[in-house]
Amino acid sequence: AQSVTQLDSHVSVSEGTPVLLRCNYSSSYSPSLFWYVQHPNKGLQLLLKYTSAATLVKGINGFEAEFKKSETSFHLTKPSAHMSDAAEYFCVVTYSGGYQKVTFGTGTKLQVIP
Amino acid sequence: GAVVSQHPSRVICKSGTSVKIECRSLDFQATTMFWYRQFPKQSLMLMATSNEGSKATYEQGVEKDKFLINHASLTLSTLTVTSAHPEDSSFYICSARGTSGSYNEQFFGPGTRLTVL
Repeated sequence: AQSVTQLDSHVSVSEGTPVLLRCNYSSSYSPSLFWYVQHPNKGLQLLLKYTSAATLVKGINGFEAEFKKSETSFHLTKPSAHMSDAAEYFCVVTYSGGYQKVTFGTGTKLQVIP
Repeated sequence: GAVVSQHPSRVICKSGTSVKIECRSLDFQATTMFWYRQFPKQSLMLMATSNEGSKATYEQGVEKDKFLINHASLTLSTLTVTSAHPEDSSFYICSARGTSGSYNEQFFGPGTRLTVL
């Protein structure tokens, strides 16, 4: 079984300040983890992914995430928020099994205040 | 990167009619495609998994006779919402997984917004 928990449904930051979006997972197998962003009325865009290589993963638009097995976490960070970062962010877990069911977190809405 | 398209991007229909949504992998072959629906301000919920040339596997609670899925080729899967009702109004998103490369990664389409009047 697998699950993913996004601890905050809504995060508000000021432009230029750091962003932290939290994600914890549980998986019976070695997980693959992803962060996706969804702007209003748009589809999903992949920000970054962890697939058992380097634990610190760098993605697009200055985002990065660190896989911490001991804490079962995969938090998304960015040093300095930009207005265009305002969107919904989803943490996703799957695993290297024969049936790769994908489980989405409930999402975190990021608000960036000018 | 791999591109997945959906058509139409937006559709409005009358209650009782059927609507077909297409999902295409444009530059790769997709052995498996997934269909999700997303209600306003909620996360994506997996509806079904379709493998090319075989019947789709539906998630619990999803009516297979209402949501018909066909995956006739390695680049095309279709979702038909039959006898649509207002409660079927939602954002439908497909994703596709390729036959090579990153085995775990799914590539998502831009979504189709269905409104049933």
